[in-house]
Amino acid sequence: DAKTTQPPSMDCAEGRAANLPCNHSTISGNEYVYWYRQIHSQGPQYIIHGLKNNETNEMASLIITEDRKSSTLILPHATLRDTAVYYCIVRPGGNQGGKLIFGQGTELSVKP
Amino acid sequence: DAMVIQNPRYQVTQFGKPVTLSCSQTLNHNVMYWYQQKSSQAPKLLFHYYDKDFNNEADTPDNFQSRRPNTSFCFLDIRSPGLGDAAMYLCATSTSRTGINEQFFGPGTRLTVL
Repeated sequence: DAKTTQPPSMDCAEGRAANLPCNHSTISGNEYVYWYRQIHSQGPQYIIHGLKNNETNEMASLIITEDRKSSTLILPHATLRDTAVYYCIVRPGGNQGGKLIFGQGTELSVKP
Repeated sequence: DAMVIQNPRYQVTQFGKPVTLSCSQTLNHNVMYWYQQKSSQAPKLLFHYYDKDFNNEADTPDNFQSRRPNTSFCFLDIRSPGLGDAAMYLCATSTSRTGINEQFFGPGTRLTVL
C-alpha cells in the first residue's frame, strides 16, 4: 500500500505558485520522498526527490518538514502545461532501487 | 535523444488471444520495469528486471510473463488476456549506478481486449 496521503484534486491559477501537500507520517529514516507527475495519456515523469533537506531544480522545489512527516511540492509559476496528476512516493534511495508504489495522487488543474 | 520506446502505442486483441507488448531503451539502464495502469487508477508494478534477474510482484497474475533478451529490450506477454486486462501498460527504466533512482517511463501501450 502507498505510504502517502494527498488531496485528490487542486486548482491553481496560471502564473501563480502551486503548492501540493503530501503526508507521509510513517516514513522511515532511510526513505526518500519522490515526486512524479503524469500528464494525461503520457507516462509518469520524475520531478524531484529529497531526504530531509529542501531541494530545488529547474522544475520545482521540495520542502520537507523537520520531522519528515510531510512535504510540499512547489511549482513556482504554474502554466497550463503543468496540469497533471502529481504523485508523492516514499521509497529507499541509494542503490536499493526497486518499486514505485503509487498512491492516488493529486490532480492539479491549472486554469487561465 | 535517449529514451524509452514502447510499441505499439495502441494494441487490440481478442479475449484469450496471446499478445506481446514491447519496450526498448537507449539509456543503457540496467533495471527495467512493467507497470499496469487501469482507467482512473495509479500505475501498479507488475515486475521488474534488475540486470538479468527477474523480480515478480506477489500479486501479479500468472497470466503475465516477461522476457528480457538483452539490456535494451523487454517484453510483456499476456498469455490469455481477459477483459480485466484492458489497461495502459507502462515500461520504465532506471540505473543502479547512481544514487538517484529516477525512473524513466515510456509513453505506454494502451491494450484493448474485445
